[in-house]
Amino acid sequence: GQQLNQSPQSMFIQEGEDVSMNCTSSSIFNTWLWYKQDPGEGPVLLIALYKAGELTSNGRLTAQFGITRKDSFLNISASIPSDVGIYFCAGIRYNFNKFYFGSGTKLNVKP
Amino acid sequence: DTAVSQTPKYLVTQMGNDKSIKCEQNLGHDTMYWYKQDSKKFLKIMFSYNNKELIINETVPNRFSPKSPDKAHLNLHINSLELGDSAVYFCASSQEQSNGEAFFGQGTRLTVV
Repeated sequence: GQQLNQSPQSMFIQEGEDVSMNCTSSSIFNTWLWYKQDPGEGPVLLIALYKAGELTSNGRLTAQFGITRKDSFLNISASIPSDVGIYFCAGIRYNFNKFYFGSGTKLNVKP
Repeated sequence: DTAVSQTPKYLVTQMGNDKSIKCEQNLGHDTMYWYKQDSKKFLKIMFSYNNKELIINETVPNRFSPKSPDKAHLNLHINSLELGDSAVYFCASSQEQSNGEAFFGQGTRLTVV
């Protein structure tokens, strides 16, 4: 069943605003990842996190691996229209060797 | 040059038919996956192969059978299609089985009528 709770489900923001979304679980994960899916395309990896507490940036994107290993957040600064899409968190549990995906956060950016 | 390519992109078929979706990756990765994305955008893993060997087989009906002729290809065959099989199916690959850095194909939108 679904093991990752992602929020918010959707967001409507103005261009230039910062965005924050997160992913939580009752289980411990040893890897957290954030993907973005554009309409009609497959998900594309944005950031991968492998250590508890790790904070990683990719351009305007910053993600953190929660210290408890049960959560992660993704921030997008100074949003632009091409940030529109669905953002998925994904996690890998120790010894399970498979991804669990969150339910996605749909981001809408008004120019 | 597409990294993970799957065909067809769209597939419309009648209930009861058998169909196949093909996937190829040119990244030299060892692991390939099939995912199903439903109308609510939930992504769920179906199968995972590592070097042509089945690693993960989630609770998927027997009507779904993956086949990996070599590590660059992972095809999905579906027998006796049902209305509930309508979804977008994504193929993906990663270098290692457990590092999560997967590359996804564009998806195959399957519609069963």
